[in-house]
Amino acid sequence: QKEVEQNSGPLSVPEGAIASLNCTYSDRVSQSFFWYRQYSGKSPELIMSIYSNGDKEDGRFTAQLNKASQYVSLLIRDSQPSDSATYLCAANNNAGNMLTFGGGTRLMVKP
Amino acid sequence: ETGVTQTPRHLVMGMTNKKSLKCEQHLGHNAMYWYKQSAKKPLELMFVYSLEERVENNSVPSRFSPECPNSSHLFLHLHTLQPEDSALYLCASGGRASYGEKLFFGSGTQLSVL
Repeated sequence: QKEVEQNSGPLSVPEGAIASLNCTYSDRVSQSFFWYRQYSGKSPELIMSIYSNGDKEDGRFTAQLNKASQYVSLLIRDSQPSDSATYLCAANNNAGNMLTFGGGTRLMVKP
Repeated sequence: ETGVTQTPRHLVMGMTNKKSLKCEQHLGHNAMYWYKQSAKKPLELMFVYSLEERVENNSVPSRFSPECPNSSHLFLHLHTLQPEDSALYLCASGGRASYGEKLFFGSGTQLSVL
């Protein structure tokens, strides 16, 4: 059973703080990893992708991948109330199988 | 606007009705997907079409019937649904289904089965 696990939260952080979202995956052959943001009542929106071990930065977002430990994380610096949403982690093994999504972590950024 | 358009946005239907969900993508992608999102559950992949051929069917009940007439259009035909089928149905498109390309989602259809 291929699984992607996330803490459902809510994760509550004050405005301006760093929000750290974590995700673990069980399929060792997973190669591609994605973070989606989903606002309440809306569809998921891709915000980051990462394929290699290490960090990948894009504006206030940093994705981190550690394949040996099978975890992916998303850091959001200078968190804003508008970042309040559910963040979905997804993994794909690039071998004909499709994206497997985690259940999502709800982030609340308090002013 | 992600380039993936779904209609209708909301649908209420009885268990004996037949309805169809429509999805259209303007991104030039080769693969299209149907996902189901229920409360407190991960996104569940239902169907994948790559170059208009179905490549995966995750044991979805036959009361859900997909159709992909071309690489830009995808339908989900619904008949004799059950109340537990009430959920958000999301269409997505991506570059190549077998290579883990990133997905772009439509706005979804919120389905309620009475």
